[in-house]
Amino acid sequence: AQSVTQLGSHVSVSEGALVLLRCNYSSSVPPYLFWYVQYPNQGLQLLLKYTSAATLVKGINGFEAEFKKSETSFHLTKPSAHMSDAAEYFCAVRTYNTDKLIFGTGTRLQVFP
Amino acid sequence: DTAVSQTPKYLVTQMGNDKSIKCEQNLGHDTMYWYKQDSKKFLKIMFSYNNKELIINETVPNRFSPKSPDKAHLNLHINSLELGDSAVYFCASSQLRGLAGITDTQYFGPGTRLTVL
Repeated sequence: AQSVTQLGSHVSVSEGALVLLRCNYSSSVPPYLFWYVQYPNQGLQLLLKYTSAATLVKGINGFEAEFKKSETSFHLTKPSAHMSDAAEYFCAVRTYNTDKLIFGTGTRLQVFP
Repeated sequence: DTAVSQTPKYLVTQMGNDKSIKCEQNLGHDTMYWYKQDSKKFLKIMFSYNNKELIINETVPNRFSPKSPDKAHLNLHINSLELGDSAVYFCASSQLRGLAGITDTQYFGPGTRLTVL
């Protein structure tokens, strides 16, 4: 069965610093990978997704992620953090043999001035 | 216009009661979902419907019963509420299902925070 692991339940950065949120996947078949963001008291919103078209995926709000098969990773990055980026970030995986989107446990990003 | 809406936003009730949460999407999507997010923010799928047909039914107590009167609505009814049912419940929708919809974006509602006392 497929799964994703998000290393670090909390990440804190200063405003303007690099954001790096880690996600590793486990799947015996080619995975499709997603990053969702949840702002306080809101639903989830898609940031970006890997659909096998390109390994470097650009998303909204300046975020991007790179699919690395050799490392089974799909880490999320942003060159310069903004205060408005403070939220919970979820990595998720889906494969062709299931209708389910499997979420990681989430990483809370805090941004300090 | 709200794409995926849920009512109510907050629900506080006593153990043993029966309650319902309603979900509506105006995106014209064929597939709808219910997720449960626990106190540690872990998000897990409960049910999925495609054109009023149940396609995913996770290991959920049978006190939980989804109902889809049409493809734009997916309601969740919970009988005999227990303390452990306290969570945030999210409705979501996507255009397609199965292989055709494998990379589809799921659009989430704002959530319903259920508190069982």
